[in-house]
Amino acid sequence: RKEVEQDPGPFNVPEGATVAFNCTYSNSASQSFFWYRQDCRKEPKLLMSVYSSGNEDGRFTAQLNRASQYISLLIRDSKLSDSATYLCVVTKAAGNKLTFGGGTRVLVKP
Amino acid sequence: DVKVTQSSRYLVKRTGEKVFLECVQDMDHENMFWYRQDPGLGLRLIYFSYDVKMKEKGDIPEGYSVSREKKERFSLILESASTNQTSMYLCASTTVGGRYGEQFFGPGTRLTVL
Repeated sequence: RKEVEQDPGPFNVPEGATVAFNCTYSNSASQSFFWYRQDCRKEPKLLMSVYSSGNEDGRFTAQLNRASQYISLLIRDSKLSDSATYLCVVTKAAGNKLTFGGGTRVLVKP
Repeated sequence: DVKVTQSSRYLVKRTGEKVFLECVQDMDHENMFWYRQDPGLGLRLIYFSYDVKMKEKGDIPEGYSVSREKKERFSLILESASTNQTSMYLCASTTVGGRYGEQFFGPGTRLTVL
């Protein structure tokens, strides 16, 4: 079983709509959680951290459910520029070693 | 702006060749990482380094070695390339005092082993 699992998608989203997707992790000792974004043929970049109480960054909302061991990302009012692969990232302990999920592809269409 | 550069965007090698992938970062970062990215598998950590001349194995180190002689440069070496090492290789760096969880990636090297 993979440590971090994601639905690969693609999620086809009309422009202006809301899309949400989850990521599950298997190690209950996981401590920190992040979403990275990777555009086609580009390198991954940190989108946002995920805090226990949930957090927002503009149109993006991240949630953490430790009991069920998943995190989620919700994108409101989707823009064409939101089309990308979203990578779920987990760390086991304090430090810089990250474990990546396979990514969820989102396609926003006019 | 942090810049991480990799020596080649595309590389084609033959089975059995020794392959060097170079990564350079210009922000005096202490930590550097090598990943490979394959469809459906995500990024998998090969090796990382927290300091000059220091290296630690990641999750899939077999068939690879690394070298960090200078702080800004981290090299990945395939001693004898095999077809199953065909992949996208990504280098990343981060600093101890930086935003937690943020790694800065290079543009990647797509390696094909024939």
